[in-house]
Amino acid sequence: DAGITQSPRHKVTETGTPVTLRCHQTENHRYMYWYRQDPGHGLRLIHYSYGVKDTDKGEVSDGYSVSRSKTEDFLLTLESATSSQTSVYFCAISERRTQETQYFGPGTRLLVL
Amino acid sequence: GESVGLHLPTLSVQEGDNSIINCAYSNSASDYFIWYKQESGKGPQFIIDIRSNMDKRQGQRVTVLLNKTVKHLSLQIAATQPGDSAVYFCAENVRNSGNTPLVFGKGTRLSVIA
Repeated sequence: DAGITQSPRHKVTETGTPVTLRCHQTENHRYMYWYRQDPGHGLRLIHYSYGVKDTDKGEVSDGYSVSRSKTEDFLLTLESATSSQTSVYFCAISERRTQETQYFGPGTRLLVL
Repeated sequence: GESVGLHLPTLSVQEGDNSIINCAYSNSASDYFIWYKQESGKGPQFIIDIRSNMDKRQGQRVTVLLNKTVKHLSLQIAATQPGDSAVYFCAENVRNSGNTPLVFGKGTRLSVIA
């Protein structure tokens, strides 16, 4: 998984609680991404980061926030989890933003009850 | 089970046969394409990529063909093995796409019959 770890790998939580997922990379890549993967949909971009403290929204960013205080770590926070946020979350990294392969972590399976 | 694989088109092939997985893309501004393999419970794994100035690229046991005229991409796997069983999906880099540089297809499930 190209030096990418995600934690936790599995989580069950209740509606209304905050949840933070962590992505850690050892590749020193500038770009980091958070996606969600759901049946019937391709991977959908939630947020991405193009450097420390530099982040931007993707196509499904509502209800999510991110932070990147170090090159190697990118955090995804669900401010108040809802059942619609039950999904598998993947972190990805790349050296450049465009014309560049993104390498994915192993994923976090989140169930919101 | 692997819920992300539900309702995907499935391709079943005999072990040792060649597999061809297809992907249609809709954006003529796409200039870079990637094929990923995703095994159950794992993250997508890079297989091969191709830029729009090429129409064919070969890797180890895999070939990607790009037909820009009909906006079609295919992945050919030679001598398919049981370990090739997975969901395969393409991704396209859309030039000047704003905040979504990579757009992912929904995927095809490849099932290898031993």
